Amino acid sequence: QKEVEQNSGPLSVPEGAIASLNCTYSDRVSQSFFWYRQYSGKSPELIMSIYSNGDKEDGRFTAQLNKASQYVSLLIRDSQPSDSATYLCAVNPRSGTYKYIFGTGTRLKVLA
Amino acid sequence: NAGVTQTPKFQVLKTGQSMTLQCAQDMNHNSMYWYRQDPGMGLRLIYYSASEGTTDKGEVPNGYNVSRLNKREFSLRLESAAPSQTSVYFCASSEPAGVSGANVLTFGAGSRLTVL
Repeated sequence: QKEVEQNSGPLSVPEGAIASLNCTYSDRVSQSFFWYRQYSGKSPELIMSIYSNGDKEDGRFTAQLNKASQYVSLLIRDSQPSDSATYLCAVNPRSGTYKYIFGTGTRLKVLA
Repeated sequence: NAGVTQTPKFQVLKTGQSMTLQCAQDMNHNSMYWYRQDPGMGLRLIYYSASEGTTDKGEVPNGYNVSRLNKREFSLRLESAAPSQTSVYFCASSEPAGVSGANVLTFGAGSRLTVL
């Protein structure tokens, strides 16, 4: 079992729809969770971080964390073609450490 | 504010050649990292430096060496390049953010290396 798993996609959604990206992780004691967006040929950039169970909203983005189910998700409301990218889930098992585990990413395509 | 700057952006090497990837950050971050990204493999940590004067191995350190020259600069050296080292290399830096103390990574633009 991979430490951080994501569906590679592509996930295709029509413009204006909600895109739902999912990530599961294996280390039950993991504490910090991140979503990075990576456009083709570019470097990852941080979109959201979440540390506590529940939802965290930032503009059109909502991160959801369920530690009991070892599940973190990213919702993108009112999806735009400019949201088309690969979304990387990253887990930092213990705060203060430098070990990040990245998923392989989900490719999102927003269709105009 | 440039953030994290990597050079070169592209490089082609022959098997056995050596080269150094340079990385510099101007955010006064303590921690710096080198990752490689391969299709289907995600980002994998090669080496990291928690602070100036320290370096530690990551997940895939074999075939690489690093130098934390000062707080700003962290270089990655391939002593004898192999085709398996063909990849995109990302340098990153971080500083603890928020009450969680989790390190949030800021990445450079990447260096695409091809070893023939």
